[in-house]
Amino acid sequence: DAGVIQSPRHEVTEMGQEVTLRCKPISGHNSLFWYRQTMMRGLELLIYFNNNVPIDDSGMPEDRFSAKMPNASFSTLKIQPSEPRDSAVYFCASSRGNGYTFGSGTRLTVV
Amino acid sequence: AQSVTQLGSHVSVSEGALVLLRCNYSSSVPPYLFWYVQYPNQGLQLLLKYTSAATLVKGINDFEAEFKKSETSFHLTKPSAHMSDAAEYFCAVSDRAGTASKLTFGTGTRLQVTL
Repeated sequence: DAGVIQSPRHEVTEMGQEVTLRCKPISGHNSLFWYRQTMMRGLELLIYFNNNVPIDDSGMPEDRFSAKMPNASFSTLKIQPSEPRDSAVYFCASSRGNGYTFGSGTRLTVV
Repeated sequence: AQSVTQLGSHVSVSEGALVLLRCNYSSSVPPYLFWYVQYPNQGLQLLLKYTSAATLVKGINDFEAEFKKSETSFHLTKPSAHMSDAAEYFCAVSDRAGTASKLTFGTGTRLQVTL
């Protein structure tokens, strides 16, 4: 079991550029969650999917953020255009109801 | 709405001493409660969870937590701290343990273990 795999581990981009973060959940897990972690705001749930369907996206901060889950083994979180205040660690987690497994995160820096 | 409050953003203990990290919850329905640990530059790992079975829950690395409904608490304890326990600890709550239930996290407590 390779766990939840996120890529890239680190991303540095310029303000205004598009950023795409990727997540591969654990096989057999049918829920997927995107969280953002910052010093100021802690861990925030952005969006979560169940059986590839978005259930709650109320945590998505702005229209600049979008997330997709085209199949059970892949999800993306896109920011377009990116801004310096988007700098954070973005975590993906998956679950099948007996606890969440988190990926190692993507550290995003927007300059 | 559900929430958790972690009392103390930083806790320092000596190696071998008792670890006590506090968490209080607020929930309009019977909660499911979790403790996670985060080591530097890593994701969160599940330590233990309460899902309405036994009120005393044992987790990995000798951690345990007790659900006290009367006090709306779910404090994390470990009898003897080890240097490797230094990390950030998060309490979290959800309205059910199944799929399609979101976790709401506390602000975290950073545990420091000194010699």
